[in-house]
Order: sequence, then C-alpha cells, then structure tokens
Amino acid sequence: GDSVTQMEGPVTLSEEAFLTINCTYTATGYPSLFWYVQYPGEGLQLLLKATKADDKGSNKGFEATYRKETTSFHLEKGSVQVSDSAVYFCALSTLTGNQFYFGTGTSLTVIP
Amino acid sequence: SAVISQKPSRDICQRGTSLTIQCQVDSQVTMMFWYRQQPGQSLTLIATANQGSEATYESGFVIDKFPISRPNLTFSTLTVSNMSPEDSSIYLCSVEVVAGGGDTQYFGPGTRLTVL
Repeated sequence: GDSVTQMEGPVTLSEEAFLTINCTYTATGYPSLFWYVQYPGEGLQLLLKATKADDKGSNKGFEATYRKETTSFHLEKGSVQVSDSAVYFCALSTLTGNQFYFGTGTSLTVIP
Repeated sequence: SAVISQKPSRDICQRGTSLTIQCQVDSQVTMMFWYRQQPGQSLTLIATANQGSEATYESGFVIDKFPISRPNLTFSTLTVSNMSPEDSSIYLCSVEVVAGGGDTQYFGPGTRLTVL
C-alpha cells in the first residue's frame, strides 16, 4: 500500500548549518507530496508541496524536489535558524480516495 | 488555504467522562478529517466527516467511542467518550482544499487532551 518513510530523528544542528531530512515514498499512481511542520505546542502547518515529478516546492528557505526516479522528496535548507526547531512530517496524498499518509516525523533542534 | 480553529485548545479530564472538541473553518469545505497524535508519534486518521452523511471510521476506531457530527460545511465536532488515560493525545481536525494542482490538507491548532 501507499506509505511514506522518513528519516528518523532527532536531528540536532548548529545555527547556519545545512539541513537535509530524507523522505521516500511508495505509492501507486502519481501522488502529491507535502512537508508539514509542527512547532512546539502547535498544530501542523503546511510548509511546502509538489504535485508532479520534478516539481520543486519551496517556502521560508526550505526546498524539496519531487523525484519520481528515486521516489523521494527530501527536505533541505541551506542555513537553519533556531526558530526552525520543530518536528517535520513528510506526507503524500493519492488521487484515488482522499487519503493522506504521514511519515513518523523528524524532530529538529537548532542550537545557537 | 483555510483557517481552522479548535476548541478547547487543551483540557484535563477524569477517567470515564466525555469531551467534545469543536472544529470551525473559515470557508465551506466538503471533506473534514479528525486525527489523533499520541505523544511523540505521527498522525493517525480517526475518521472522515462529510456533511450530510455518516462519518467514515478507520480501522481501530468506532462511532461509539468517537462520535462525530458534521451539521454544516464549516463545522464539525468529535467526542471522545468514556475516556481512559490511553486517550491522552493531541486531536487535530483538518480540511481538504481542492485547488489546481491537487488536494491539500490544512490543520487546526489541535486539542491537547490529558486523561487522569
């Protein structure tokens, strides 16, 4: 069935370091792919999305490219800030049904 | 996009009681969803709520335990019935917005429930 596999955390980085959080997916057909962010004590916020192969989603300095050949949607940011400390969820949505599948989440802590 | 609010934002409840969580959206939406997020874990879909029909529950969730109402296109409630400490979780509602390029789910801020 459809699923998302996400890099396990927690991840701790120094401020201004480069961030990569890996996400791979399994799906029939052509899913849409998402990254959500959950700041401490808050709900999920949509960070970025991509709806077809080779699309690049970007927001707040974060980027992810939909790679069909490697079934991946890795999240990257060139220079993280303390305020980026949060839990990041990769997700996919299939065109059949209205199912969203979430990864297990990756906790990121950025230290000054 | 959609702006979603939830009430209450958090509550501490006694075992055996019930709590109703409200979800309000700033626009009319067809699909609303209720999720549970247990401590340190990802999201688990409880049910899908469409206006005018019975909610559809995922495996492991039943209507007697989690009754849902969906009286109109901007509002839904989830009740957690006969609570036990295992029900301590964050409960999130979300809505699906259909736009060019695919569907996207937007989430409310969540209700943090602690059952003693």
